[in-house]
Amino acid sequence: TQLLEQSPQFLSIQEGENLTVYCNSSSVFSSLQWYRQEPGEGPVLLVTVVTGGEVKKLKRLTFQFGDARKDSSLHITAAQTGDTGLYLCAGPPILDNQGGKLIFGQGTELSVKP
Amino acid sequence: DVKVTQSSRYLVKRTGEKVFLECVQDMDHENMFWYRQDPGLGLRLIYFSYDVKMKEKGDIPEGYSVSREKKERFSLILESASTNQTSMYLCASSPQREIIDTQYFGPGTRLTVL
Repeated sequence: TQLLEQSPQFLSIQEGENLTVYCNSSSVFSSLQWYRQEPGEGPVLLVTVVTGGEVKKLKRLTFQFGDARKDSSLHITAAQTGDTGLYLCAGPPILDNQGGKLIFGQGTELSVKP
Repeated sequence: DVKVTQSSRYLVKRTGEKVFLECVQDMDHENMFWYRQDPGLGLRLIYFSYDVKMKEKGDIPEGYSVSREKKERFSLILESASTNQTSMYLCASSPQREIIDTQYFGPGTRLTVL
């Protein structure tokens, strides 16, 4: 069974601090997506990484896909209270990707305090 | 603008009741998904559908059934609700059957079974 393991599960930091969230697997993924879910809402896609070693930046967020395509990280610089939410990584299963299925990690709950 | 709507934001039902959760997307997407979300477990796929009248079991289909009579509508049915089905239920859609793409989520239905 392909699994995506996220760490840490919970993170509470002060505004202005930097943080990194990790998404790891023992399996290779053809791509990985990162979603953010705010309280009371559904997840919203932030970015998709496709190529091993790829780095994508979205303002203060930097996403990296591991060279072997088994892991990814999300780094936030100078966190703001608006970054608070649940961050989820997701990727397509190798052997059963009909219907656009995704496997999701268990999520990282980020709380940024003023 | 992409939109996925769910029939209720909050629902309270009693054990043994039949429960219908409705999801509608207005994007002409082929794929639709039902997940349940529980703390520390991420999103777990219940059922998905890649075409009208087609349905496929996800990872945790027991106790649930689905219906897709029209392309835009995907219903989740709890035949006889139980307390362990208390959860957040998220519906999502994505454009094409065998293409890994963004999943667009509804706001979720928080179901409590007493």
